Amino acid sequence: AQSVTQLDSHVSVSEGTPVLLRCNYSSSYSPSLFWYVQHPNKGLQLLLKYTSAATLVKGINGFEAEFKKSETSFHLTKPSAHMSDAAEYFCVVSGHTDKLIFGTGTRLQVFP
Amino acid sequence: ETGVTQTPRHLVMGMTNKKSLKCEQHLGHNAMYWYKQSAKKPLELMFVYSLEERVENNSVPSRFSPECPNSSHLFLHLHTLQPEDSALYLCASSQVYPRDPYNEQFFGPGTRLTVL
Repeated sequence: AQSVTQLDSHVSVSEGTPVLLRCNYSSSYSPSLFWYVQHPNKGLQLLLKYTSAATLVKGINGFEAEFKKSETSFHLTKPSAHMSDAAEYFCVVSGHTDKLIFGTGTRLQVFP
Repeated sequence: ETGVTQTPRHLVMGMTNKKSLKCEQHLGHNAMYWYKQSAKKPLELMFVYSLEERVENNSVPSRFSPECPNSSHLFLHLHTLQPEDSALYLCASSQVYPRDPYNEQFFGPGTRLTVL
């Protein structure tokens, strides 16, 4: 069975400071991992995905995530937050089935 | 129009009404999905269609009735809903199903449904 846990429901940062959104997963199989972002009144947009080619994955808008098998983690980071990064972020896992298992989301607030 | 579109964006309905949600994808994908997004809960997969055939129904009550007339269009027909059905309903599509684990799903903006 697969599951994903987003450790923080809310994260607040100041503009220009680093962002860290934490995600831990559980999977009996070699997982696929994704981060999606949802801006207010918008659908989910893919930020990045782990495809086993490289453990450090770079995505859009300066975000990246590192797959750490020993820690079963796939945390999302960005060196410098921008006001436009304020949104809800979802960590997603899928394994040998075709279902995407979504985390409960982390709401990122960015203060000027 | 590009990507995945959904109409209406907002819908308010009474418990005795019948309404339909519409989804259209302009990506040439063969699989389409309905999800329910409720506050403080993970996204819940409701239905999956592949090549216009329903391939998954995740124990969804019969008051939700999906329809996929072709690979570009997906409907969700609603009747005698309950207030707890109020949520954001998201449509998504992917290239194929069973889905390549490394291929993502593309999401529409959702329909915000309120049941009074």
